Amino acid sequence: EAGVTQSPTHLIKTRGQQATLRCSPISGHTSVYWYQQALGLGLQFLLWYDEGEERNRGNFPPRFSGRQFPNYSSELNVNALELEDSALYLCASSLITPRGGEETQYFGPGTRLLVL
Amino acid sequence: LAKTTQPISMDSYEGQEVNITCSHNNIATNDYITWYQQFPSQGPRFIIQGYKTKVTNEVASLFIPADRKSSTLSLPRVSLSDTAVYYCLVGDIAGGFKTIFGAGTRLFVKA
Repeated sequence: EAGVTQSPTHLIKTRGQQATLRCSPISGHTSVYWYQQALGLGLQFLLWYDEGEERNRGNFPPRFSGRQFPNYSSELNVNALELEDSALYLCASSLITPRGGEETQYFGPGTRLLVL
Repeated sequence: LAKTTQPISMDSYEGQEVNITCSHNNIATNDYITWYQQFPSQGPRFIIQGYKTKVTNEVASLFIPADRKSSTLSLPRVSLSDTAVYYCLVGDIAGGFKTIFGAGTRLFVKA
């Protein structure tokens, strides 16, 4: 079974540009999460999508946005890029069921964004 | 969402057992405890999950005392390849879900 895939693996942009990152979840998973991990730091929660809707959002400015498509894949858009946006962006997917408890998230390899 | 506290770093030698403890004093009744492992420039990988007592799989064991205010991840006979960051998460999906990864514990295994 294919895991979570992300594209591109690396992305180089300049300040003020826009970046689009893509994620394909594991087949059957309806939830997609986005995280930012700056070099040497922990993961910062960005966004959670489930069944095409944004369910929760971390403490990031509005220039970080995204969407989830009918096939459950997702896009993360970062507008007006700033130098401090340089980081590893990780996507994870899970299957939300009503059983309760935290569902296991499966992570992709990430997209490394470099803003010059 | 319950906040977790872990040691920032730990050192060990190959072949030793490593125990990493996570404190979660305000864990809720419906919360589960999950541990992830992350290697540099890779996404975290699920290790183990539990609710109470002890859980064991092929990779690790998870010990949870009766009050559930802490948990201990036990890695038997570590090797150099176990050098990674280990994250403890506590949460419940009921009523909404978000994941907060703390700073994790950086484990360094030496030869």
